[in-house]
Amino acid sequence: GAGVSQTPSNKVTEKGKYVELRCDPISGHTALYWYRQSLGQGPEFLIYFQGTGAADDSGLPNDRFFAVRPEGSVSTLKIQRTERGDSAVYLCASSLMGPSYEQYFGPGTRLTVT
Amino acid sequence: DAKTTQPPSMDCAEGRAANLPCNHSTISGNEYVYWYRQIHSQGPQYIIHGLKNNETNEMASLIITEDRKSSTLILPHATLRDTAVYYCIVRFYNNNDMRFGAGTRLTVKP
Repeated sequence: GAGVSQTPSNKVTEKGKYVELRCDPISGHTALYWYRQSLGQGPEFLIYFQGTGAADDSGLPNDRFFAVRPEGSVSTLKIQRTERGDSAVYLCASSLMGPSYEQYFGPGTRLTVT
Repeated sequence: DAKTTQPPSMDCAEGRAANLPCNHSTISGNEYVYWYRQIHSQGPQYIIHGLKNNETNEMASLIITEDRKSSTLILPHATLRDTAVYYCIVRFYNNNDMRFGAGTRLTVKP
């Protein structure tokens, strides 16, 4: 079956602009996660959804970052007033139910802020 | 969650077993050991996990020491496609925050 998909695969934006990154999880997976990966480092947790609600958003770095999952499937990560330090690969993962299930990752969106 | 320590890089000859070590000396009794890998330009891929017993699946074997302070991921017959960064993660079973660390970059050479 189809895996986790993310769009766009690459996004270049200017400092100060607003961006949206989309994640389509595996069908039927109720749990969805966002991570950020800087060059040479492992992924860093941002936020976890169970269904439509954000069960844990403790990894969001500041209030410029926000994520939604209005219908419990597709999720959008929104970044306001982008800064050059936001440049990274943003990864999305989904799991069948909660965190005790293995996570399936998408290919990521590479965000470059110029 | 407990912290893990992995060597930054390792080499392995194609067809030989790759043994990737991980130290997790502060692991608590209810924490599991997970292994993921990340091939270049792809998202991480789940490999295996265990609590205290050794585990084996179609991809790899996981050997956990009796005191659970370290573990080894074994790829029995490494191929060039196994070249990747391998992450050892220790976490509670229902903890959604996976701490990846820097991992071990495994290079399989012909």
